[in-house]
Amino acid sequence: DARVTQTPRHKVTEMGQEVTMRCQPILGHNTVFWYRQTMMQGLELLAYFRNRAPLDDSGMPKDRFSAEMPDATLATLKIQPSEPRDSAVYFCASGWGGSGNTIYFGEGSWLTVV
Amino acid sequence: DQQVKQNSPSLSVQEGRISILNCDYTNSMFDYFLWYKKYPAEGPTFLISISSIKDKNEDGRFTVFLNKSAKHLSLHIVPSQPGDSAVYFCAASDSGGGADGLTFGKGTHLIIQP
Repeated sequence: DARVTQTPRHKVTEMGQEVTMRCQPILGHNTVFWYRQTMMQGLELLAYFRNRAPLDDSGMPKDRFSAEMPDATLATLKIQPSEPRDSAVYFCASGWGGSGNTIYFGEGSWLTVV
Repeated sequence: DQQVKQNSPSLSVQEGRISILNCDYTNSMFDYFLWYKKYPAEGPTFLISISSIKDKNEDGRFTVFLNKSAKHLSLHIVPSQPGDSAVYFCAASDSGGGADGLTFGKGTHLIIQP
């Protein structure tokens, strides 16, 4: 049963600390997305990769957020320094590139910054 | 500026009746539409999709209707069951724009009452 795997599932951290979230996409998928879910904004696209190359990170606050894909089985989203307003659920999703293709979500990383 | 709008934050329907969830979009370039279902503490899961070349797609109890001229789509669930209680997200993409990321609405919380 192929699935997107995210770690950690839950993270509570103090303001100013670095947070790293990890994602293992479904094997064979060439496109990886990072979404953030908040009550106010719903699901927002932060960044995505195709064949490990970043294609769009315009949804991401550049000064504190960074996304990388060191290899085909790992995508990371890092926040440094974290702030209380970053508290949200962060979802990773993967799929085949090109519109018309469904993307599949992981279970999310629940981040609370206090 | 929200390009995908779900104007009903919540909807309550009696078990066995029809549930109709609505979604409007503003970007006329969108040509692929999806519905995702989300349970608490889980990631969104793909439910059903429709291409802009069609006006209806059916999968079991779920039917999605697309009205391109009105920029409106709807999801019908018949008959509604208790397990259908969840948040439903409408999503859209533009294949010609070269972007792969889906644009989501803020979701509608469907509550099926026994």
